[in-house]
Amino acid sequence: DTGVSQNPRHKITKRGQNVTFRCDPISEHNRLYWYRQTLGQGPEFLTYFQNEAQLEKSRLLSDRFSAERPKGSFSTLEIQRTEQGDSAMYLCASSPSPGQGNTEAFFGQGTRLTVV
Amino acid sequence: AQKVTQAQTEISVVEKEDVTLDCVYETRDTTYYLFWYKQPPSGELVFLIRRNSFDEQNEISGRYSWNFQKSTSSFNFTITASQVVDSAVYFCALSEGYMNRDDKIIFGKGTRLHILP
Repeated sequence: DTGVSQNPRHKITKRGQNVTFRCDPISEHNRLYWYRQTLGQGPEFLTYFQNEAQLEKSRLLSDRFSAERPKGSFSTLEIQRTEQGDSAMYLCASSPSPGQGNTEAFFGQGTRLTVV
Repeated sequence: AQKVTQAQTEISVVEKEDVTLDCVYETRDTTYYLFWYKQPPSGELVFLIRRNSFDEQNEISGRYSWNFQKSTSSFNFTITASQVVDSAVYFCALSEGYMNRDDKIIFGKGTRLHILP
């Protein structure tokens, strides 16, 4: 399977716990995005990487959120001290770099986080 | 700042009817990309089309067609002869990057489409 892979698919955690999600992008894609989607809303941009460099972080990404892409391949998104408001679907997407032609992002199936 | 507005929250049509989903965008850039994605009940976002700002030709792919009009900052999506399998949430999106410029993709809130048998 050469698509974007996200793990776990579902995560239930108690408020105050830390959680970490993983995203494996399409192998030749340099760009990697994280989005959050709540019920009835469109995906909200959180952050994105060009290789290992984090290019931009949304104001939605509070200090409790951190994302890394240490070797320019897979990425992790960690949420510390989870709150009920963090419950959402967390989507990862990857795309080629601008200049490589197509810039559409391909999405993984997401990680659904439920904070109880 | 970039913004995508999908004014239609929810649409219901009877199978075989044509339906148009509206998308209006805002950007300060003269170069940008526009996208449509489909999110079926299974949840995964499926890429449908990408259009760059220099190409205003309408595009048709089977029962799907897209009307890009820079004058009105719109990128509308029409499904002809709708089918029940078209039921999904459809998102319009915008990216201000082009070629080697930095960019991110911003989504509208989506239009939930119900095709009734």
